[in-house]
Amino acid sequence: DAGVTQSPTHLIKTRGQHVTLRCSPISGHKSVSWYQQVLGQGPQFIFQYYEKEERGRGNFPDRFSARQFPNYSSELNVNALLLGDSALYLCASSAFSREQYFGPGTRLTVT
Amino acid sequence: QQQVKQSPQSLIVQKGGIPIINCAYENTAFDYFPWYQQFPGKGPALLIAIRPDVSEKKEGRFTISFNKSAKQFSLHIMDSQPGDSATYFCAANSNDYKLSFGAGTTVTVRA
Repeated sequence: DAGVTQSPTHLIKTRGQHVTLRCSPISGHKSVSWYQQVLGQGPQFIFQYYEKEERGRGNFPDRFSARQFPNYSSELNVNALLLGDSALYLCASSAFSREQYFGPGTRLTVT
Repeated sequence: QQQVKQSPQSLIVQKGGIPIINCAYENTAFDYFPWYQQFPGKGPALLIAIRPDVSEKKEGRFTISFNKSAKQFSLHIMDSQPGDSATYFCAANSNDYKLSFGAGTTVTVRA
């Protein structure tokens, strides 16, 4: 079975631009979570979606938004990019248990 | 405000040694404690998890010890190998939507 997939792998954006990151969960998993991992730190929770509904949101500004599609894939959108948004963005999927399985991440660099 | 405190920040052991990573938490609502292993450029991989009704859990060479009264838990890597060199994160969850991660410990196993 394929694990969590994320695209793109890397991207470079300029301050003020917008970015969309994509995630496909493990087959059969209906929940997707997004985390931001700044270099040298642990992942920080951004959003969780279950059955296309937002279940929770971390302490991130409204520039961050997400959605989940009927096939359970998800998009994370970030508007008005700041230098501080440079990070590894991780997607995790889960089924009914607490276990969250992470994808390889998207490395975002804002210049 | 970090809800899970992890130490040490880094450690170096010889092959066959037992690196020990410690984590502490304050939120007594936490009832699920996973450990993740992360290699450079990759997403975190779920290693092993424990619930507070169990004092110890082993999976292969990885052992979690849990002290509910002290609100502490630790990861031991038995017979460590150079391939175990990675960053390890403890995390905690309280039956809600997010994992709270520690800051990470970089383990180096020298041959």
